[in-house]
Amino acid sequence: GAVVSQHPSWVICKSGTSVKIECRSLDFQATTMFWYRQFPKQSLMLMATSNEGSKATYEQGVEKDKFLINHASLTLSTLTVTSAHPEDSSFYICSASWGAADGYTFGSGTRLTVV
Amino acid sequence: AQSVAQPEDQVNVAEGNPLTVKCTYSVSGNPYLFWYVQYPNRGLQFLLKYITGDNLVKGSYGFEAEFNKSQTSFHLKKPSALVSDSALYFCAVMGGSTLGRLYFGRGTQLTVWP
Repeated sequence: GAVVSQHPSWVICKSGTSVKIECRSLDFQATTMFWYRQFPKQSLMLMATSNEGSKATYEQGVEKDKFLINHASLTLSTLTVTSAHPEDSSFYICSASWGAADGYTFGSGTRLTVV
Repeated sequence: AQSVAQPEDQVNVAEGNPLTVKCTYSVSGNPYLFWYVQYPNRGLQFLLKYITGDNLVKGSYGFEAEFNKSQTSFHLKKPSALVSDSALYFCAVMGGSTLGRLYFGRGTQLTVWP
């Protein structure tokens, strides 16, 4: 149980276009979803926290107009990278929590390459 | 504030030898501690966690970790390393007011050579 599906696994897009990444909890309701970003050979940095039906809370330094997060239902959150640039190329990982202290699962990640 | 330190960027060990990947933490309140493994271009795979109870936690693939409150450490160990254990390992602590929010260490690259 507790499976999170993240899609797509990898995407290549042209500079200036937008890309949407989906994070879906398959067998539980995710009260909170987290979006992390990982640069090559570096750790995961939290970008934002989203709760169903409310605006996402962004970490300091993360541009909320560039990284649009929507958590419209208890099973789906999306991250849209708007007007992507090469420096946005990274590995993005979501996790979904069902509210318990250790109750969360990670998605498999999305490799974004902006050319 | 919550934080995790992994003092070693790289750990190299021969196959069959024991391995240790170090982690220390700083957290307000009771720590919830985790170890994850990541293979290239893949997501995170859960190895083990400490929430409460026995200080020695056993996890997936023969890994274990010992919670040491006095030393604020949660080192990952395995009695006999395999080449297939070569990967990037992350220690993480959960903290703050949001359940599920993790703070990650910078990661330790484990290389097991034949």
